[in-house]
Amino acid sequence: GQQVMQIPQYQHVQEGEDFTTYCNSSTTLSNIQWYKQRPGGHPVFLIQLVKSGEVKKQKRLTFQFGEAKKNSSLHITATQTTDVGTYFCAGRGTGTASKLTFGTGTRLQVTL
Amino acid sequence: SAVISQKPSRDICQRGTSLTIQCQVDSQVTMMFWYRQQPGQSLTLIATANQGSEATYESGFVIDKFPISRPNLTFSTLTVSNMSPEDSSIYLCSVGGDGAQHFGDGTRLSIL
Repeated sequence: GQQVMQIPQYQHVQEGEDFTTYCNSSTTLSNIQWYKQRPGGHPVFLIQLVKSGEVKKQKRLTFQFGEAKKNSSLHITATQTTDVGTYFCAGRGTGTASKLTFGTGTRLQVTL
Repeated sequence: SAVISQKPSRDICQRGTSLTIQCQVDSQVTMMFWYRQQPGQSLTLIATANQGSEATYESGFVIDKFPISRPNLTFSTLTVSNMSPEDSSIYLCSVGGDGAQHFGDGTRLSIL
């Protein structure tokens, strides 16, 4: 079945440093979504990318979808303590009624 | 976005017992999803619940262990049957079409 892996598994940064998490799917995706889960919370939708090579920005967050629609990245510029949490990508396969497969997640810790 | 209420928020149960988790949505939705998130892990889809039909279970999950009801377009229940310590997880209800998934706060289940 479809597998979605993320690296790194964990990253610890100083506030103000940049952070990137990478997401790789074993199969071609129709779209990819990103979620943030704060400690003790539930996943919260951030964004969806659909087109090959698409790049979207949300303030300090930049999301990319690979040309082959099998990989994606999330880059955070100048991290803040409010960025702490686990970031999950979630890929939807091609074909009708394809389910969403969540990536393994990257846990981000930010310290002052 | 939809407001999703899950009950109970947490429970501690004895081995061999069953627990039913309720999920209420503030608007009518076609599909509701049940996920499991084991400690420190990603989200795994248990099943998709459609109103008026049998739930569709993912590989590794069976109806006898995780019976699901979907009596109307705003409500669903997931029962975790004959619980063992391996069932200790967060169980999350979610709604969404091809776009964003919105999650309830989850049910934190511990089995002694």
